[in-house]
Amino acid sequence: EAGVAQSPRYKIIEKRQSVAFWCNPISGHATLYWYQQILGQGPKLLIQFQNNGVVDDSQLPKDRFSAERLKGVDSTLKIQPAKLEDSAVYLCASSLGTSGSSYNEQFFGPGTRLTVL
Amino acid sequence: DAKTTQPPSMDCAEGRAANLPCNHSTISGNEYVYWYRQIHSQGPQYIIHGLKNNETNEMASLIITEDRKSSTLILPHATLRDTAVYYCIVRVAGYSTLTFGKGTMLLVSP
Repeated sequence: EAGVAQSPRYKIIEKRQSVAFWCNPISGHATLYWYQQILGQGPKLLIQFQNNGVVDDSQLPKDRFSAERLKGVDSTLKIQPAKLEDSAVYLCASSLGTSGSSYNEQFFGPGTRLTVL
Repeated sequence: DAKTTQPPSMDCAEGRAANLPCNHSTISGNEYVYWYRQIHSQGPQYIIHGLKNNETNEMASLIITEDRKSSTLILPHATLRDTAVYYCIVRVAGYSTLTFGKGTMLLVSP
């Protein structure tokens, strides 16, 4: 079974530039998550989709971050303009469903390491 | 979700059992204990979860105290490939969000 795919794996940009990350979840997984992981910390949820609808985006800095999942499958996360503090690993994860099950295991992709100079 | 407390780091000799503790003294009755791990340069990986009974799978065992205020993840025969950050997370049943702390960095040495 193919896992969660992410690209690119690494990205270096200057501050104030824009950047986009792509995620393709495991086939059939309805729920997709984007996390931000700053060095030395655990991942922090940015946004959660159920199919193509947003379930939780309370921690997404909406003035500069945006995300979409137009057809309920793959997703893109964009940062515009980037700041130095956006340097982090951006992880995508997917799971079969959302509420109603304690067995809702999340499968993570390898992440995209972003460096903002 | 209840908070968890884990030691920042632990060492273990290869082949020995690794016992990783987690304190979750404010856990409520509908919260499960989950363990994930993150190997360097990879995304987190699910290990095991439980409510109140001890659980075992091919990766690890989870021992939850009777009062459910703490738990221990046991890797019975640690290998070098088990070197990773281990996260203990408590999560409400039927709720999908994971809140990660800083976890425990387990270093398995030859």
